[in-house]
Amino acid sequence: GDSVTQMEGPVTLSEEAFLTINCTYTATGYPSLFWYVQYPGEGLQLLLKATKADDKGSNKGFEATYRKETTSFHLEKGSVQVSDSAVYFCALIRAGGTSYGKLTFGQGTILTVHP
Amino acid sequence: DTAVSQTPKYLVTQMGNDKSIKCEQNLGHDTMYWYKQDSKKFLKIMFSYNNKELIINETVPNRFSPKSPDKAHLNLHINSLELGDSAVYFCASSQDVSTEAFFGQGTRLTVV
Repeated sequence: GDSVTQMEGPVTLSEEAFLTINCTYTATGYPSLFWYVQYPGEGLQLLLKATKADDKGSNKGFEATYRKETTSFHLEKGSVQVSDSAVYFCALIRAGGTSYGKLTFGQGTILTVHP
Repeated sequence: DTAVSQTPKYLVTQMGNDKSIKCEQNLGHDTMYWYKQDSKKFLKIMFSYNNKELIINETVPNRFSPKSPDKAHLNLHINSLELGDSAVYFCASSQDVSTEAFFGQGTRLTVV
């Protein structure tokens, strides 16, 4: 079945550092890929998305590029802030097959940014 | 106006009780979901409904029963609650079965 693997956390950075959170996926066909963010005590919010190969999703200074050749969708930000501290989830969805209608998540990566 | 709202936000109950969590979305979406998030933050889909029809029913105990009275609502009823049911339950909706989902704030269920 479909699966998403994220880099192990937690990740701890100083403010203004560069962030990369790795995400790779296993899925047949052409899934859509997403990054979600969960702030403490809140639900998940869609951060960015890409629906086809080579698409770049971006939002709030974060970006990720859909790389079909490496089945990856790594999240990057050039300069993190304390307010970026949260749990980040990579996810995919396919329109057909046995995983029809199922948004599959990675295990989440906890990011802590210190002043 | 909250797009996906679920109630209650917190639920503390004793083992063996029956409880319900309600979810409503005002986005006009066709698809709704229930997800369970465990203490390690792992998210697992439980159920998915498309146009009030059940399309995904993962390996979830029979004690969990979803009900979709209309496209805007998806409720979750849990019978005979067990300690292991303690988790955060998230409702979500999406325009259709292949697009991004929008999540509610979650219901933290604690079974004592």
